[in-house]
Order: sequence, then C-alpha cells, then structure tokens
Amino acid sequence: KAGVTQTPRYLIKTRGQQVTLSCSPISGHRSVSWYQQTPGQGLQFLFEYFSETQRNKGNFPGRFSGRQFSNSRSEMNVSTLELGDSALYLCASSLEVVSRQFFGPGTRLTVL
Amino acid sequence: DQQVKQNSPSLSVQEGRISILNCDYTNSMFDYFLWYKKYPAEGPTFLISISSIKDKNEDGRFTVFLNKSAKHLSLHIVPSQPGDSAVYFCAAEPSRYSGGSNYKLTFGKGTLLTVNP
Repeated sequence: KAGVTQTPRYLIKTRGQQVTLSCSPISGHRSVSWYQQTPGQGLQFLFEYFSETQRNKGNFPGRFSGRQFSNSRSEMNVSTLELGDSALYLCASSLEVVSRQFFGPGTRLTVL
Repeated sequence: DQQVKQNSPSLSVQEGRISILNCDYTNSMFDYFLWYKKYPAEGPTFLISISSIKDKNEDGRFTVFLNKSAKHLSLHIVPSQPGDSAVYFCAAEPSRYSGGSNYKLTFGKGTLLTVNP
C-alpha cells in the first residue's frame, strides 16, 4: 500500500500571500489530520476531517482552513501568511480512530 | 496550556546502554498513550502504545511504562543503537467514551535522542 503523500514537499512564499497544501491519505483511510511542527512547539494539532466533515479543530486562527474531498484527499489553506507560519506541515491518515495515524513526509513552508 | 510535557529536549546515550525518555501529562481524561519516532525530513512513525488499563507494554527493545497516579510515562530502549537516533514524541488521547467532540491526539514537544557509537 502506498503511504501518505503530501505535495508540495517544499514551498517558499512571502508575507500576505496564501498557500494550499495537499494530502493524499492511505487508500481506505477516511480520517485525515493536519499538524504544524515548529522547533519550539512540537506537533500542534490543526484539524481533523472524517468523511468530508471537520470533526475536530485545534487552536489556530481562522486563516488556517481545510477541507476533505469525497476520495478522502484533503487540502489545507493558509491565507494572509505571516512569518510565524513558517513550519513543517504534517498530514496523517487513519482508518477510523485517530490514534493509529500514519504520517506523510510533510510540507516545509517558508514565509519570507 | 501544555497537556503533554516532555521536559528533556535532548538526551545522549552510548550505544548498548539504556535510553529512557520521559513524558508527563496533566489531563486525567487521557487513557491511551503512544510514542512516535521522527527522523529528519520524514513524518513521525508509530512506535509503541499503552492503554491506561496496563502499566507496561513491551515490543522488542522498546518498553513503555505508565504510572497513572503520577500521570507519567516513560519509554525504555534497550540496548540503544545508533539507528535509534531521532526525535521521539509522546502523544495522548482521551477516552473514546468520555463524550464531547474534542477527540484528538495531543503531542509533546519531543525529545531528540542521540545514540553515540
């Protein structure tokens, strides 16, 4: 089975721009979660989607949004980028429950 | 408010010795705990887990211990190998029967383990 894939792997944007990141879960997995990893904060939960519905949400501003499609693929959007948004964005998928998540390699976003 | 804490940002051990990584939590609703390992440029991979009904779970060189009264868990790696060098994340999730909608994994900030040959 192919693993979780994320595109693009690297991205450079400037302040004020917006960005869309993509995640394809493992085939058959219906839950997709997004995390932000920064050196000082570890993995911080952004949101989780299950069957096209946002099931859980972390404590991030409304500039961070996401969606899930009928094929379980998910996208994450960040609008009006700030320097502090520079981070590794990780996507994880699981069958039903959140615990046994499989992570993708991440998208490294740099905001200049 | 950090509900899962890994107070040691880094740990260095000699090959062949024991590595002990610690994790503390504050939320008494957590009842399932996991350890993930992360290499640079890769996503975290699941390592081992433990349910709150147990106090120990072993898988090869990896053992996780849970002390519910102290809200503390630890990961033991014996013997440590250079390939174990990575960032280790502790994670916790609430009881699936606790109700509410805030069912998600909460991660610690990670501990960088370096195993020296």
